[in-house]
Amino acid sequence: KQEVTQIPAALSVPEGENLVLNCSFTDSAIYNLQWFRQDPGKGLTSLLLIQSSQREQTSGRLNASLDKSSGRSTLYIAASQPGDSATYLCATRRQAGTALIFGKGTTLSVSS
Amino acid sequence: GAVVSQHPSRVICKSGTSVKIECRSLDFQATTMFWYRQFPKQSLMLMATSNEGSKATYEQGVEKDKFLINHASLTLSTLTVTSAHPEDSSFYICSARAIDSSGEKLFFGSGTQLSVL
Repeated sequence: KQEVTQIPAALSVPEGENLVLNCSFTDSAIYNLQWFRQDPGKGLTSLLLIQSSQREQTSGRLNASLDKSSGRSTLYIAASQPGDSATYLCATRRQAGTALIFGKGTTLSVSS
Repeated sequence: GAVVSQHPSRVICKSGTSVKIECRSLDFQATTMFWYRQFPKQSLMLMATSNEGSKATYEQGVEKDKFLINHASLTLSTLTVTSAHPEDSSFYICSARAIDSSGEKLFFGSGTQLSVL
């Protein structure tokens, strides 16, 4: 059964810092991996989706990488801003048609 | 982009009552919908997979008689929490599977915060 782990559980940084969030998964046979943002009491906002054949995806200040063989993904946030404060969730799917399996998330706090 | 509408966004009820949560795909047909539950500071845990026109498949440890799922149409799935108790207080969120020419994607509702008094 797939298990997704995210480290660290919480992270506090000053505005402007670059940071890396880590995600690991136990079963490397994945269909894709997705990073989400969740604000308190709110739903999910999809940030980046990496297909199993891809190594990375970029969107603005965000870059996500995927290393299937080692069961790892990272989310890189450049020049962090207070508006980036949220919980970031990593999730994978085994195959098309199946549900996403989520990690517990990393709660990020960016201070001005 | 595809939109999934989930209602209500927040509900407070008395212990023993039943609560129905709706999840609608507004501009696409969703043959499959997934229901998740999230406790504070915890991950989203998959509760069940709902396929249109058939019985839902529940994850281990999820009581099917307590969490009734109905997926009677391609655009609507409902989750009913029957005889709710304070321990059922949680954030519930649905996800709908969309298939188009570019492939398959999952879209999420905005979630329902259930508080049982």
